[in-house]
Amino acid sequence: GAGVSQSPSNKVTEKGKDVELRCDPISGHTALYWYRQSLGQGLEFLIYFQGNSAPDKSGLPSDRFSAERTGGSVSTLTIQRTQQEDSAVYLCASSPIYEQFFGPGTRLTVL
Amino acid sequence: QQQVKQSPQSLIVQKGGISIINCAYENTAFDYFPWYQQFPGKGPALLIAIRPDVSEKKEGRFTISFNKSAKQFSLHIMDSQPGDSATYFCAASRGAPDNNNDMRFGAGTRLTVKP
Repeated sequence: GAGVSQSPSNKVTEKGKDVELRCDPISGHTALYWYRQSLGQGLEFLIYFQGNSAPDKSGLPSDRFSAERTGGSVSTLTIQRTQQEDSAVYLCASSPIYEQFFGPGTRLTVL
Repeated sequence: QQQVKQSPQSLIVQKGGISIINCAYENTAFDYFPWYQQFPGKGPALLIAIRPDVSEKKEGRFTISFNKSAKQFSLHIMDSQPGDSATYFCAASRGAPDNNNDMRFGAGTRLTVKP
């Protein structure tokens, strides 16, 4: 079946511009996560959605970062006024209960 | 906060050798311990996972050893192959009644298996 998809696969933007990253989770998965992975580094937790509960935003690095999940399915991560240090791969994962299924990620480059 | 510590950062093994990656956790409420494998340009994918009611789980060439009292677990890759070259992440999570499956990841180990 279809896995987690993310778009775009690559995004190059100029410093100061806003970007939107999209995640389409596996149908029926109630949990959705966003992570950031800098080159050669581990997974930095950003935000977690679970059903209709309020999201856990404890990992968002600044108020320039926000995320929404519409209808319990598709999620969008928005980064406003991008900075060069935002350059990284942004990974989305969905989960039915324990196992997390990751998408291929969006590579963001801020010039 | 660093709740899962992973070592080594990088590992080089000869083909046919045994690769061992170690992780230690802090939160005794964790009850699910997966290992993820990530190839360049791809998202992590679940490799093998264990729950604390067993001390070992084996799937093919991959084995997880779990020591609950020491709060440590490790991944052993037997007969390592060049195709195993990837980054490996350990993780830990808990299944709370409210289904908050908050998962914490280790920093990753870059494994290189030389032919």
